[in-house]
Amino acid sequence: KAGVTQTPRYLIKTRGQQVTLSCSPISGHRSVSWYQQTPGQGLQFLFEYFSETQRNKGNFPGRFSGRQFSNSRSEMNVSTLELGDSALYLCASSILAGAADTQYFGPGTRLTVL
Amino acid sequence: QKEVEQNSGPLSVPEGAIASLNCTYSDRVSQSFFWYRQYSGKSPELIMSIYSNGDKEDGRFTAQLNKASQYVSLLIRDSQPSDSATYLCAVNKGGGSNYQLIWGAGTKLIIKP
Repeated sequence: KAGVTQTPRYLIKTRGQQVTLSCSPISGHRSVSWYQQTPGQGLQFLFEYFSETQRNKGNFPGRFSGRQFSNSRSEMNVSTLELGDSALYLCASSILAGAADTQYFGPGTRLTVL
Repeated sequence: QKEVEQNSGPLSVPEGAIASLNCTYSDRVSQSFFWYRQYSGKSPELIMSIYSNGDKEDGRFTAQLNKASQYVSLLIRDSQPSDSATYLCAVNKGGGSNYQLIWGAGTKLIIKP
């Protein structure tokens, strides 16, 4: 079974731009969670989607948004990029909602904001 | 106080010895606890989950949970150089639709041959 895939793997943007990241979960997984990972803050929960509905949201500004499609693929959008948005963005898929079971992580998208 | 705290390390352990990793959490009602391993440049992968007080063993790994003291630990027996990685502790917060995982910053483990 193919793992979680994320595209693109690397991105370089400038302040004020917007960016869209994509995540394809493991086949059969309906839950997709997004995380931001930085050396100083560690892994921080952004949001979770289950069956096309945002189920939960972390403590991030409204510039961070997402959506999930009927095939469970998910996209994350960050508008008006700031230097502090430079991070590794990870998505994780699971069968059950709410991270109640094992989360399988994708390789991540490394975003650099200049 | 952070919701989930781990010693950032690095923790250096000789090959063949027992590595002990600790994690404390602040939410008394947390019910689910996870240990993930993250190699440098890679994404996290689940090692163990534990939900009840006591020990849970899986091969060389043992997770220990003490809800009264609000800590969870991971023991790695017969440590191997391939165990060198950052170990992340994750604890659930909230329930139902508010359920989410809160992550510690991770402990970097170095196994010296």
